[in-house]
Amino acid sequence: DTAVSQTPKYLVTQMGNDKSIKCEQNLGHDTMYWYKQDSKKFLKIMFSYNNKELIINETVPNRFSPKSPDKAHLNLHINSLELGDSAVYFCASSHGSTDGYTFGSGTRLTVV
Amino acid sequence: GQQVMQIPQYQHVQEGEDFTTYCNSSTTLSNIQWYKQRPGGHPVFLIQLVKSGEVKKQKRLTFQFGEAKKNSSLHITATQTTDVGTYFCAGNDYKLSFGAGTTVTVRA
Repeated sequence: DTAVSQTPKYLVTQMGNDKSIKCEQNLGHDTMYWYKQDSKKFLKIMFSYNNKELIINETVPNRFSPKSPDKAHLNLHINSLELGDSAVYFCASSHGSTDGYTFGSGTRLTVV
Repeated sequence: GQQVMQIPQYQHVQEGEDFTTYCNSSTTLSNIQWYKQRPGGHPVFLIQLVKSGEVKKQKRLTFQFGEAKKNSSLHITATQTTDVGTYFCAGNDYKLSFGAGTTVTVRA
């Protein structure tokens, strides 16, 4: 059973398009996150939700909009994609903000 | 804001040798976590350290949290090819901030 699942695994799209990445966790965790990993492997937090409420919103362009319909799901919608958005996006979840995080397998986004 | 620095960025190790990766935070941390990411994979949680001066072991891996709760280290003994990957420390203040990682390659 996959604990944190993300779809799609790969996403290749043209500049200017809008795309969504979906994330679901079956661990019963109350906190979910989106992280961006760049080509140098640096992991940077983008958003954090606790029980469907946004609690962390880092300096991320407004083109990125997270949505959490319930505490088991956290989706990421990106408008007007740019070349610099190319990266691996990881969803993660945890029980509270001080426990270890469980990461999904990642979505490799390539903007051409 | 909180910054977590990790060195070295790369570690090339002969199989059987030991190595250590170090992590330093600009602020006092409530806890520190370590993750391993295999090539092409995702970060996997290894351990969390909470107490000042805490030392924890997992087989050949030894994790340490500094007395001031601002630094940490991961020491691996008798490196094996299965140790290949990137090791991240992550400092927890009100959010988890990752270091840049130490990418480990092993020479057989």
